[in-house]
Amino acid sequence: RKEVEQDPGPFNVPEGATVAFNCTYSNSASQSFFWYRQDCRKEPKLLMSVYSSGNEDGRFTAQLNRASQYISLLIRDSKLSDSATYLCVVNPPLRQLTFGSGTQLTVLP
Amino acid sequence: DAGVTQSPTHLIKTRGQQVTLRCSPKSGHDTVSWYQQALGQGPQFIFQYYEEEERQRGNFPDRFSGHQFPNYSSELNVNALLLGDSALYLCASSLFGAGGSGATQYFGPGTRLTVL
Repeated sequence: RKEVEQDPGPFNVPEGATVAFNCTYSNSASQSFFWYRQDCRKEPKLLMSVYSSGNEDGRFTAQLNRASQYISLLIRDSKLSDSATYLCVVNPPLRQLTFGSGTQLTVLP
Repeated sequence: DAGVTQSPTHLIKTRGQQVTLRCSPKSGHDTVSWYQQALGQGPQFIFQYYEEEERQRGNFPDRFSGHQFPNYSSELNVNALLLGDSALYLCASSLFGAGGSGATQYFGPGTRLTVL
């Protein structure tokens, strides 16, 4: 079983749609969780951290369910510029960032 | 404020050759981590350098080695290249101890290595 699993997609949605990505992780002792965004042939960039209480940044909402070892990212009112690969990232204790394989999103005009 | 820089941008090598990739961290950062990203996959951690020493290592063979210099820049060396080493190699810099290895990592644009 992979340490971090994501639905690879692709997700093709119209502009203005709401889309949700899910991610599960295997190490229950993990303490830090993130979503990174990666544009085609570019480096990953931090989108947002994920906190136990859930957190929101504009149109983006991240949630963590420790009991189910599950992380989610919700994007509201999708823009063309949101098209990218979204990487779920977990930081197990005493170890470096562990990335999922990414979920590809294309927002269509 | 200069971000993370990497060189070269692209590289083509043949099997069995050796390659050296370079990284300069973001200004103010002292820790460099290297990742390998194969096509369609997420980045995989190779190792991390701080104070010129390898601090952590992922599941990569000894063919992968590195170095950190007093100015915090770093090199990744790969010996005896295999076809499967073809990937995007990413360098990430951070400030040691600043919240662990999470959100404080900033990635460079990467070096795309092709092994023929």
